[in-house]
Amino acid sequence: GQQLNQSPQSMFIQEGEDVSMNCTSSSIFNTWLWYKQDPGEGPVLLIALYKAGELTSNGRLTAQFGITRKDSFLNISASIPSDVGIYFCAGRDFGNEKLTFGTGTRLTIIP
Amino acid sequence: EAQVTQNPRYLITVTGKKLTVTCSQNMNHEYMSWYRQDPGLGLRQIYYSMNVEVTDKGDVPEGYKVSRKEKRNFPLILESPSPNQTSLYFCASSRLAGGPSDTQYFGPGTRLTVL
Repeated sequence: GQQLNQSPQSMFIQEGEDVSMNCTSSSIFNTWLWYKQDPGEGPVLLIALYKAGELTSNGRLTAQFGITRKDSFLNISASIPSDVGIYFCAGRDFGNEKLTFGTGTRLTIIP
Repeated sequence: EAQVTQNPRYLITVTGKKLTVTCSQNMNHEYMSWYRQDPGLGLRQIYYSMNVEVTDKGDVPEGYKVSRKEKRNFPLILESPSPNQTSLYFCASSRLAGGPSDTQYFGPGTRLTVL
């Protein structure tokens, strides 16, 4: 099955730093989603993007739907300890209910 | 409270012993799906269902069965589990795609170990 290339795989940052991660695909998606997974929990939706070029914010999080429809970016500004977790991107094909997930970015905040 | 529930949360079993992981949602969602999560591989879809009595294979369906007899329930069945099915399993539900209402809600996960 198709998978998205998500990078970086892991990040070690200090509290207060900004974070950037991205996903790329070999095919076009009509929807991009960003999820966060806390330890022992299921993924929770952070941001949904439905149009190419769309830039959407949710508090300190900002995500963009790439113009080519083959990529998406997530930025977190001024990181705090509760940002720790695994972040997943997911894309949905045209006319298809199926979500394809990236391999995840594990974010760790160094004290 | 809107939620997706899974049971059991943890299960240790032996090779070949049939098991069922239940999934239930209280949001009247049409779409339900099962994923498995393995280190370095993200979430991979096992099976999905777009409505009652409608199920279809995802990316990794081998060794699994599902049924959708009622809208709220979508059990995952392992007829003869094997060690390579040791994984963390998530059930998810959503309305059918088409806009802001199509958010997928995930259950808390079931950690399965097959010895």
